[in-house]
Amino acid sequence: QKEVEQDPGPLSVPEGAIVSLNCTYSNSAFQYFMWYRQYSRKGPELLMYTYSSGNKEDGRFTAQVDKSSKYISLFIRDSQPSDSATYLCAMSGGDSWGKLQFGAGTQVVVTP
Amino acid sequence: DAGVIQSPRHEVTEMGQEVTLRCKPISGHNSLFWYRQTMMRGLELLIYFNNNVPIDDSGMPEDRFSAKMPNASFSTLKIQPSEPRDSAVYFCASSYLAGVQETQYFGPGTRLLVL
Repeated sequence: QKEVEQDPGPLSVPEGAIVSLNCTYSNSAFQYFMWYRQYSRKGPELLMYTYSSGNKEDGRFTAQVDKSSKYISLFIRDSQPSDSATYLCAMSGGDSWGKLQFGAGTQVVVTP
Repeated sequence: DAGVIQSPRHEVTEMGQEVTLRCKPISGHNSLFWYRQTMMRGLELLIYFNNNVPIDDSGMPEDRFSAKMPNASFSTLKIQPSEPRDSAVYFCASSYLAGVQETQYFGPGTRLLVL
């Protein structure tokens, strides 16, 4: 079993809809949780970063962490076609300090 | 800052040939990571360096792969001999590892095709 599980999608939504993405993990030592966005034929870029449990909002993006359930989420409000990309969750902590454990990535397609 | 620089951006080679991928991290960053991304296996960490010293190479698939970081501004990933199953996108990333916080910045990747 992988330490980080993420549904690869694809997830197709109409423009303006809310996109909901999530990851589950098994290592309770993880403390740092990130979401990366990767456009086609590009490298991943950091989108959101959260420490421990709680919510974090940045514009149209909201990241949530529920450590008790080992579950993290990313919500994109008022989705735009430019949000079409692959979203990868990543986390670190405990024995994996210094390196990130990535999910498989979820492909999101926002249709006009 | 120019970000993480990788070269070449594309590489096509024949099975058995040596392949060398290059990376220049962001100036001031003290950690460097090499990843491989495929459709089947996603993004896999191959090796990472801290202050030019290899810390964890448990992701290196086999002895055909080797990585070096002779100084803070340059790293190479070498595959010798290359095989078709090595075809993938190879990313280099760097970060400033201070305390327990790290944000990795990725380069544009090298697309490797081994025929």
